[in-house]
Amino acid sequence: EAQVTQNPRYLITVTGKKLTVTCSQNMNHEYMSWYRQDPGLGLRQIYYSMNVEVTDKGDVPEGYKVSRKEKRNFPLILESPSPNQTSLYFCASSLGSGDYNEQFFGPGTRLTVL
Amino acid sequence: ILNVEQSPQSLHVQEGDSTNFTCSFPSSNFYALHWYRWETAKSPEALFVMTLNGDEKKKGRISATLNTKEGYSYLYIKGSQPEDSATYLCAVYGGATNKLIFGTGTLLAVQP
Repeated sequence: EAQVTQNPRYLITVTGKKLTVTCSQNMNHEYMSWYRQDPGLGLRQIYYSMNVEVTDKGDVPEGYKVSRKEKRNFPLILESPSPNQTSLYFCASSLGSGDYNEQFFGPGTRLTVL
Repeated sequence: ILNVEQSPQSLHVQEGDSTNFTCSFPSSNFYALHWYRWETAKSPEALFVMTLNGDEKKKGRISATLNTKEGYSYLYIKGSQPEDSATYLCAVYGGATNKLIFGTGTLLAVQP
């Protein structure tokens, strides 16, 4: 089944404790992206990747890192999480860049930073 | 920064009503517009991707139109059903940004 998977789905952590949210897709998509969803705001892009070893900042990259060593995986790293990073996070992938191609979203990761 | 606005913010209709909502965006440097449906506790799913002025797309009871010259798209739902209850997201890809900018969505609640 074609899908985007994220782990963990729920995470409660404390300020400063490094964490990684994994994202994997099995559709051989080139483009992958991370978004965060906060109440009253639209999905905001954190980082995106056009292909392996090619990553770039989205609109809200501060406090996050990503890597794209393999086509299928695009982990999101929070080196020192802070409470303002409490949010719902979505990973997404698409065939080409995110213009003409629909995005396929993962199930979401709800992160709480205390 | 591209600004994508959706209206209304929320909408309550009765089963069987037809309804529509709007997505507005700057008409310059437009490349593509996406509509997604986002049910509670699930992830957004694509409805349509539209690129051409005058484009009309249809999937079952849901259809969408696009006017790139004036910078808006309409999403129509004919004969709303309770299972149509969801947040409908619009996203626009514009300029040379490689970014899809999302609106805040329209929350639709269909009462049986």
